[in-house]
Amino acid sequence: AQSVTQLGSHVSVSEGALVLLRCNYSSSVPPYLFWYVQYPNQGLQLLLKYTSAATLVKGINGFEAEFKKSETSFHLTKPSAHMSDAAEYFCAVSGYSSASKIIFGSGTRLSIRP
Amino acid sequence: NAGVTQTPKFQVLKTGQSMTLQCAQDMNHEYMSWYRQDPGMGLRLIHYSVGAGITDQGEVPNGYNVSRSTTEDFPLRLLSAAPSQTSVYFCASKSGTSGLNTGELFFGEGSRLTVL
Repeated sequence: AQSVTQLGSHVSVSEGALVLLRCNYSSSVPPYLFWYVQYPNQGLQLLLKYTSAATLVKGINGFEAEFKKSETSFHLTKPSAHMSDAAEYFCAVSGYSSASKIIFGSGTRLSIRP
Repeated sequence: NAGVTQTPKFQVLKTGQSMTLQCAQDMNHEYMSWYRQDPGMGLRLIHYSVGAGITDQGEVPNGYNVSRSTTEDFPLRLLSAAPSQTSVYFCASKSGTSGLNTGELFFGEGSRLTVL
């Protein structure tokens, strides 16, 4: 079985500060890991993905995440927060096969203080 | 460029009524899925399909039925609605069911369902 745990349902940072959103995974097979973002009243869109190539993955809008097998983690970071980053962020896990289902975490709402 | 289209966007039902949420995609994606989103619970997988004629259960399948008669369509049926099914429902699809996982799900805009 696969699952992800996102620590912190709400994170608030100041504009220009570091963003760190935490995700830990559990998987009985080598995982593929993803971060998705959801803006208000919209569906989700892919931010970045880890598919067993480089452990440091860069995504859109300046976000990046590092796969750490020893810590079973895939935390999302951005060096400098922007007001437009305010959204809900979801970590997700899947298997390497295209037919694998994708399981999401409970989400972290990111707020940006002026 | 329609992508994933869900209908209706809003629906109010009474307990015990039945309804179908429609989902259609025009990207020739083999993989389609339904999620429900509830506050503090994230997205939970209801059912998914890896191709026409093939469906499988997700994390929370009880109370929901699906079928996949064509590649394009993946309707979600509530046979006897309950207040616990009040939620926002998302349909999502991705390409390929063979080879390596691309991972990129394309989501519809969601259907907000209220069961009284």
